[in-house]
Amino acid sequence: DARVTQTPRHKVTEMGQEVTMRCQPILGHNTVFWYRQTMMQGLELLAYFRNRAPLDDSGMPKDRFSAEMPDATLATLKIQPSEPRDSAVYFCASGSPAGRRSTGELFFGEGSRLTVL
Amino acid sequence: AQKVTQAQTEISVVEKEDVTLDCVYETRDTTYYLFWYKQPPSGELVFLIRRNSFDEQNEISGRYSWNFQKSTSSFNFTITASQVVDSAVYFCALRALIQGAQKLVFGQGTRLTINP
Repeated sequence: DARVTQTPRHKVTEMGQEVTMRCQPILGHNTVFWYRQTMMQGLELLAYFRNRAPLDDSGMPKDRFSAEMPDATLATLKIQPSEPRDSAVYFCASGSPAGRRSTGELFFGEGSRLTVL
Repeated sequence: AQKVTQAQTEISVVEKEDVTLDCVYETRDTTYYLFWYKQPPSGELVFLIRRNSFDEQNEISGRYSWNFQKSTSSFNFTITASQVVDSAVYFCALRALIQGAQKLVFGQGTRLTINP
């Protein structure tokens, strides 16, 4: 059963520490999205990639966040240094580009719950 | 710009009642896709349905039905004979098909509570 895999599922860290979250998209999907979910802001798009190239990361705080796809099977989201306001659930999603031959929906991982103390 | 509005923040009904979740969207794109996702208490986001902008047929799947109306830019979701297991946060989302900009934009979600 194909699914998006995210690690770690839970992470508690102290302010100032580096945090790296990883995502393995569904094999064959060429678009990858990172979302952050908080009670106040809901689901916010941080970044997305197509064919491993970053297309838009305007939703991401550039000074501390970075997103990469070293290869087609791995996407990473890094926060350095982390701050308490980064506490949230981070979701990775993968899919195919929407089109008449593609259903276009995104499949989400189970999320990485980050707590920064 | 793309925007999705779910005006109902929370809805609470008694089991077996019918309930409709509203979704209004904004986009300048002529080709786009609309989605509903369910987020149960366990936290995962579960895909429910997709609708294309060029297909206004409404759809029914068991107790779920969706009413897509381009004229009012709405994509409402109705649960018939609700059950406690339907309790979740429901998100409406919009994905536009333009080169290099296929973002999926979510509404703020509607928290649905079905009481026994």
